[in-house]
Amino acid sequence: AQTVTQSQPEMSVQEAETVTLSCTYDTSENNYYLFWYKQPPSRQMILVIRQEAYKQQNATENRFSVNFQKAAKSFSLKISDSQLGDTAMYFCAFMKHGGYSTLTFGKGTMLLVSP
Amino acid sequence: SQTIHQWPATLVQPVGSPLSLECTVEGTSNPNLYWYRQAAGRGLQLLFYSVGIGQISSEVPQNLSASRPQDRQFILSSKKLLLSDSGFYLCAWSAVLAEQFFGPGTRLTVL
Repeated sequence: AQTVTQSQPEMSVQEAETVTLSCTYDTSENNYYLFWYKQPPSRQMILVIRQEAYKQQNATENRFSVNFQKAAKSFSLKISDSQLGDTAMYFCAFMKHGGYSTLTFGKGTMLLVSP
Repeated sequence: SQTIHQWPATLVQPVGSPLSLECTVEGTSNPNLYWYRQAAGRGLQLLFYSVGIGQISSEVPQNLSASRPQDRQFILSSKKLLLSDSGFYLCAWSAVLAEQFFGPGTRLTVL
């Protein structure tokens, strides 16, 4: 079974600064996918970024980028130029290749962006 | 483009009453469908998933059941609600081996 650990329950950052959210996972699989989802106060879950384990290049989406370290089983999310709208709960998630695309989520990190 | 709907948005029900939450997806065919529960604003627990009509897999034994009567319809039910069933329920869909996309959720309060 897979496990996903987010060791930072809460983080704070000021507007325009950069923040990194940590995620580690445990799996015996070699092929898998990793995701970061964002859940703002509206509670709608929004996909932020996706990484395929077979790709060495780190995924980026505008101000969001990841640092994927497969050997260390680490998958951190970096948010550059933080904006007030980035305030949300962030969840790291794992999906193994094959099967039925079920996700294993971490417990989340609450990010507060202040002016 | 694909859209996922859930209703109702909020629901307050007495203990022992029945439950029916509905989820529908537009703009895709034969999606994988999922029901999650989120308690106390943290962590998502996968309850059920379905890869086709009438095919339901349960992840956690509980007071709930799920059905998929049509390709793009997924229903979460209970015959008798418990206090512990309170929470935020999310429906999601995905293509095969792809990321999941979530609906807006239903906030259920059992009194």
